[in-house]
Amino acid sequence: NAGVTQTPKFRVLKTGQSMTLLCAQDMNHEYMYWYRQDPGMGLRLIHYSVGEGTTAKGEVPDGYNVSRLKKQNFLLGLESAAPSQTSVYFCASKGLGPYNEQFFGPGTRLTVL
Amino acid sequence: GQSLEQPSEVTAVEGAIVQINCTYQTSGFYGLSWYQQHDGGAPTFLSYNALDGLEETGRFSSFLSRSDSYGYLLLQELQMKDSASYFCAVRDRNYGQNFVFGPGTRLSVLP
Repeated sequence: NAGVTQTPKFRVLKTGQSMTLLCAQDMNHEYMYWYRQDPGMGLRLIHYSVGEGTTAKGEVPDGYNVSRLKKQNFLLGLESAAPSQTSVYFCASKGLGPYNEQFFGPGTRLTVL
Repeated sequence: GQSLEQPSEVTAVEGAIVQINCTYQTSGFYGLSWYQQHDGGAPTFLSYNALDGLEETGRFSSFLSRSDSYGYLLLQELQMKDSASYFCAVRDRNYGQNFVFGPGTRLSVLP
């Protein structure tokens, strides 16, 4: 099992460009999350999904959109990139029930110039 | 709102015991998790406490006191590979039962 994978691993964008980050999990998890992590800070939730076809806003959703068309995939889109979106982006997934462990992907390091 | 506090840095020597504290403020507390993150790596799950008391997993233990809005992570028999950042995270009913992460504590283990 690959667990949680993310593509790409690195990306450099110019201000105003758009891009999509892909997250895939092979654990049949219902919950999926997108976080951003800035230097010296904890993770902040951008958007999340509690199942295929559903998405919801987290703590810092502005400037991002998401889609969960398939249970195993969770896409994060940047509509018009800004330097403030320079960050490391982590995707995570979690199963149902009492299991509270989130499994994280390796991260995508994004720089917006 | 939600706020979590952790010490920013902790230093200890190999073989020692270290405790990393976490205090939180929320009206919707559901549980407290701990994650480890090495430089350049992804967070990995260490523990989850929903009830008061101590949970032990090998060299790591986690404690929760809901009445004090306080928890800690205890690392015993420290090894060099334990040098990493440690994050507490509160599962919060006010955030859709999602997790809110603390700012992290950077642990340095010296020889």
